[in-house]
This record gives sequence, C-alpha cells and structure tokens, in this order.
Amino acid sequence: EAGVTQFPSHSVIEKGQTVTLRCDPISGHDNLYWYRRVMGKEIKFLLHFVKESKQDESGMPNNRFLAERTGGTYSTLKVQPAELEDSGVYFCASSLGGGFYPYEQYFGPGTRLTVT
Amino acid sequence: AQTVTQSQPEMSVQEAETVTLSCTYDTSESDYYLFWYKQPPSRQMILVIRQEAYKQQNATENRFSVNFQKAAKSFSLKISDSQLGDAAMYFCAYRTPRGNNDMRFGAGTRLTVKP
Repeated sequence: EAGVTQFPSHSVIEKGQTVTLRCDPISGHDNLYWYRRVMGKEIKFLLHFVKESKQDESGMPNNRFLAERTGGTYSTLKVQPAELEDSGVYFCASSLGGGFYPYEQYFGPGTRLTVT
Repeated sequence: AQTVTQSQPEMSVQEAETVTLSCTYDTSESDYYLFWYKQPPSRQMILVIRQEAYKQQNATENRFSVNFQKAAKSFSLKISDSQLGDAAMYFCAYRTPRGNNDMRFGAGTRLTVKP
C-alpha cells in the first residue's frame, strides 16, 4: 500500500512568488493534516481536513496560505505571495479516523520550501 | 496551551549501547496521548511508540521503551542496543482525546549512532 506522498520534495522560490504544495493521502483516509516545521523549531499544526471540509484551520498563519481538498482526495497548500519566513518543511499526514480515538497519523516525507 | 519540550537538540550513542531521549510537556488535561516519532534522513516520519496517559504501565516496542512520569509530565524514550538504523530525528508529540486531532510536537532531537 502506498504511503502519504508529497510533491515537490523541495521548492526554491523568490519572495513574492506563488508556490503550491501537494499531498496525496493514503487511500481511504478521510482525515488529512498539514504541519510545518521552521528550521530548528517544533513541528506546528496548520490545519485538518475531514474529507473535503476544513475541520480545523486554527494553525494557518495568515491569509497568504490557502488549503484545499477537492473531492476529499488529495490536498493542495498554496502560499501566495511567499515571504522569507515561510521557509521550512511542510508535512502532510493522513489518518483513517479521528475524534476521541487517536488513530495513527501517517506522515509524508515533507516538502522543503526555501524562499529567497 | 499545551507545549512539548525536548531539551536535547542532539544526542549521540555508541552502537549497541543504550540512550535516553528526554521530553517534557505542559498540560492541564488529565487524559491525553503521547507519542514518539522517528524521521530518518530524507524519509517519512514514522510512529515509534505511543502511551495513553490513563495507563500506568510504560509502553514498550521491542528495543524502544518509555519512562512515563505523569506527575512530572515527563515522557522519555529509551533505545536499547542501538543500531545504525536508529539514527534519525526523534520528535515527541502530545494530543488530547478531544475533537481536535492536531498534535503538539517538540523541536526534535537528532540522534547519531556511532559504529
């Protein structure tokens, strides 16, 4: 069974440009999460989808970030316009269920975003 | 707000030896879950071990075990008989059993295993 995949693995863009990150969860996983790790710091939660609906987007830093999950399958995270502080590793994770039972979250390898 | 602290940015261990990675957390909840994740270089982050706060018994998975001290809010990971393949970033994480599913992570500990 394929795991969580993310594309691209690494992206280098200039400040002010737009970048779109993609995450393909494990097939059948309704729950999809985005996290971000800024250099040397903790991994921080960005948002959580249940199917195509945003369950919790309290971690999104500002309105330059837009996440979508059309059809409840893959998800995209767009940063527009990118700023220097957006650099970091963006992780996607998916899980079978959610709620009170802590279904295991399976992580993708991450996308390393560098904004110059 | 819940926070997770890993005070050791880097650790090293000799192959076949034992190493303990530290993690403390802050919460006002009585029921929650704690996790250790491992991220090898350029690879996916995988779950190593999980502990439910209501369980007094420390979780164990083969060479990996935890020392869960609920009163002290401490959750350390012990790796016995370290192997070269254990070299990775290790993240401690916390989550509550409530509606939110997001996890709170520490900053990570980079473990080096010396042959």
